Amino acid sequence: QTVVTQEPSLTVSPGGTVTLTCASSSGAVTSGSYPNWFQQKPGQAPRPLIYSTNNRHSWTPARFSGSLLGGKAALTLSGVQPEDEADYYCLLYYDSGQPWVFGGGTKLTVL
Amino acid sequence: EVQLVESGGGLVQPGRSLRLSCTTSGFNLGDYTMNWVRQAPGKGLEWVGFIRKKLHGGTPEYAASVRGRFTISTDDSKGIAYLQMNSLKTEDTALYYCSRDLQWNMDVWGKGTAVTVSS
Repeated sequence: QTVVTQEPSLTVSPGGTVTLTCASSSGAVTSGSYPNWFQQKPGQAPRPLIYSTNNRHSWTPARFSGSLLGGKAALTLSGVQPEDEADYYCLLYYDSGQPWVFGGGTKLTVL
Repeated sequence: EVQLVESGGGLVQPGRSLRLSCTTSGFNLGDYTMNWVRQAPGKGLEWVGFIRKKLHGGTPEYAASVRGRFTISTDDSKGIAYLQMNSLKTEDTALYYCSRDLQWNMDVWGKGTAVTVSS
């Protein structure tokens, strides 16, 4: 069973920049993993942010960007706002075995 | 407006069955792969399974934790996706979400329906 690993928690100052990563136990994350990123705030459904590595949805602020970094998927927040405090989940696709696997999530604190 | 609304959750005893529905509106269900995702209390997101759109065979795939117990289906004419859950276990207690997926992009989610498995 493939495991997808994210940082459990990160802290960033308002206006700062932070990068969240998403690693796969089966090897390097590539564009063929079609990384998706979601934001979830308490009591709310997940909100899609990024799909297919680096594509923003129409509602995703420009300060959120996705990329591949050192064999991992990455989500970078630039100019962090207090409202960005939330849990962030990555989702990777596999073309053999279980198709989709979520990471364990990163709790982002803005302090 | 594109919308997904889950329903059918509730309290059920271990070993019993429950069927969840995901009622769609604002788009043609048959054009999308439909996923089910769950979240146990205080835990992260877990992909449960999906059913491919008819153009891609209409076949389902499941997470190992539910394979053989859960079944996903759709009624495209009604715009409803279903999650039939049999032989429920206490560890199936979670908030269950449906989401639509077009080419590896889960862009719309419902608000979820809660399932509690307890005696």
